[in-house]
Amino acid sequence: SQTIHQWPATLVQPVGSPLSLECTVEGTSNPNLYWYRQAAGRGLQLLFYSVGIGQISSEVPQNLSASRPQDRQFILSSKKLLLSDSGFYLCACDGGSTQYFGPGTRLTVL
Amino acid sequence: AQSVTQLGSHVSVSEGALVLLRCNYSSSVPPYLFWYVQYPNQGLQLLLKYTTGATLVKGINGFEAEFKKSETSFHLTKPSAHMSDAAEYFCAVLAAGSGTYKYIFGTGTRLKVLA
Repeated sequence: SQTIHQWPATLVQPVGSPLSLECTVEGTSNPNLYWYRQAAGRGLQLLFYSVGIGQISSEVPQNLSASRPQDRQFILSSKKLLLSDSGFYLCACDGGSTQYFGPGTRLTVL
Repeated sequence: AQSVTQLGSHVSVSEGALVLLRCNYSSSVPPYLFWYVQYPNQGLQLLLKYTTGATLVKGINGFEAEFKKSETSFHLTKPSAHMSDAAEYFCAVLAAGSGTYKYIFGTGTRLKVLA
């Protein structure tokens, strides 16, 4: 079965600074990959998904971007963070019509 | 379009009491339905899922859910709550399209278990 790694686990960044969150997947090949965000007291918001290398679909217009440089690597980035970017970021992948989630990254923008 | 509604953002039960978390869905095609649990500062863990076949689905930790097409519901139950069940629970429906799967999540229900 697949294992999803995310790092860092926790991040505190000032407003206006850049961001790079990484997600890697083991135990599967050519997975569909997803980035979600959970804001405090809210559900999951789908940010991006990818069906293959270099293929990114954006669900919500924002100052974030995603890239997939390798089959099992998914990166979430920003050039300039906003306060509203604070939240819990989850990477997920598909397996047998089921989504599996990574442990998440807690981002606080001050 | 698919959607999921979880009734009650917070539910409290006594230890040993029945747990009932409600989920209603809307789907234009036969749905795949899921329940996930999330403990603080962790990712989501799959509890159970319904795809086809038997409508009563058993999952981990003693949870089960029943798919009721006529009621468009997929409520999660557990006969006897444990303190360790305190967590947030998410219902989700699978929406197929564009060659990939977009999962629609409810807003979550936070379960509190009282001693």
